[in-house]
Amino acid sequence: DTGVSQDPRHKITKRGQNVTFRCDPISEHNRLYWYRQTLGQGPEFLTYFQNEAQLEKSRLLSDRFSAERPKGSFSTLEIQRTEQGDSAMYLCASSSSGSGETQYFGPGTRLLVL
Amino acid sequence: AQRVTQPEKLLSVFKGAPVELKCNYSYSGSPELFWYVQYSRQRLQLLLRHISRESIKGFTADLNKGETSFHLKKPFAQEEDSAMYYCALSRKSSGDKLTFGTGTRLAVRP
Repeated sequence: DTGVSQDPRHKITKRGQNVTFRCDPISEHNRLYWYRQTLGQGPEFLTYFQNEAQLEKSRLLSDRFSAERPKGSFSTLEIQRTEQGDSAMYLCASSSSGSGETQYFGPGTRLLVL
Repeated sequence: AQRVTQPEKLLSVFKGAPVELKCNYSYSGSPELFWYVQYSRQRLQLLLRHISRESIKGFTADLNKGETSFHLKKPFAQEEDSAMYYCALSRKSSGDKLTFGTGTRLAVRP
């Protein structure tokens, strides 16, 4: 296990198209987080899972965004009807569920919506 | 709501000079504070956290609850310290999700 992985690393799409990103966490980690980072900003929290349960969603996550973690392992983040404002780096992180556990980040998926 | 402020977008110092990256936070409870670092073409990684009170790569940070600050310091900067540094806050009651500052780019000149 070499850490958190994300696929694809880059995605270019046209406005209005749907896109799906995948995150594979570190195998023994039961928490998985999604963040979004735009130019000049720090990462912003989107949502997180403990095992397969989605426990919190940010107000940043509009109805066009949906995330799943069906078997408590990998997770997908889907954006429907993409808009130019969705262009960003999407980061995934995982951790154990103890309080204050370190979050380990993936390399991110960079999305460009034309 | 919690907030993290990093007032400097860029900090440029000469090799061997002291470094202080500023971080202020607002949160009414007892937060946990972190510094994350991103070296060129690498992923975001934890540098240190206030609860461990340890020094990593010569960096230290002390939580000052009175001033709500968590500044990152190093007495003698090295060229390999050049990177993007993010201060972050989490709270136990919210699944430990992280709230990040906007980051400070540290450039260490030879």
